[in-house]
Amino acid sequence: AQSVTQLGSHVSVSEGALVLLRCNYSSSVPPYLFWYVQYPNQGLQLLLKYTTGATLVKGINGFEAEFKKSETSFHLTKPSAHMSDAAEYFCAVRSSSGSARQLTFGSGTQLTVLP
Amino acid sequence: EADIYQTPRYLVIGTGKKITLECSQTMGHDKMYWYQQDPGMELHLIHYSYGVNSTEKGDLSSESTVSRIRTEHFPLTLESARPSHTSQYLCASSGDRAGTEAFFGQGTRLTVV
Repeated sequence: AQSVTQLGSHVSVSEGALVLLRCNYSSSVPPYLFWYVQYPNQGLQLLLKYTTGATLVKGINGFEAEFKKSETSFHLTKPSAHMSDAAEYFCAVRSSSGSARQLTFGSGTQLTVLP
Repeated sequence: EADIYQTPRYLVIGTGKKITLECSQTMGHDKMYWYQQDPGMELHLIHYSYGVNSTEKGDLSSESTVSRIRTEHFPLTLESARPSHTSQYLCASSGDRAGTEAFFGQGTRLTVV
């Protein structure tokens, strides 16, 4: 079984400040990890993903995440928040066994960017 | 840009009506999914499909049904809509490799009055 925990359902940062959204996972096999962003009344858009190789992954819009196996974490960061970053962010895990249903989402973190 | 489309985007319908939410993708993906999402809440998998003529129920029990007669098409049907069905429904598809991501449609926001 696998699961994802996103700490903090709501995060507020000032424009220009560091963004840190936390994600911890549990998986019995090496996981594939994803971060998605959802703007109001839209579907989910992939920000970045970790499959194998380099543990620091860079994505779109200046976001990056680091896979830390020892901490079972995959936190999302951005050095300087922009007003356009305000959205809902979802962390997801997929088992490397690859069956269709094994894409599990966290409960999401709503990011607010203050002027 | 992902080539997965959902129609309609918004639907307001009366209780007891039959509705079908459409989802189509042009990427040739075998795996397709339906998620239900209440506003500001997490996504719950309600149906998925490995390929043509293959459908399974997801983690969240749903009164809806799905079919997969063609690879590109994965419609969701509610035989008799109720206010409790009011939600956003998201369709997604993915390729066969385990590390591939899921691509999402823009969603259908359903309101049953």
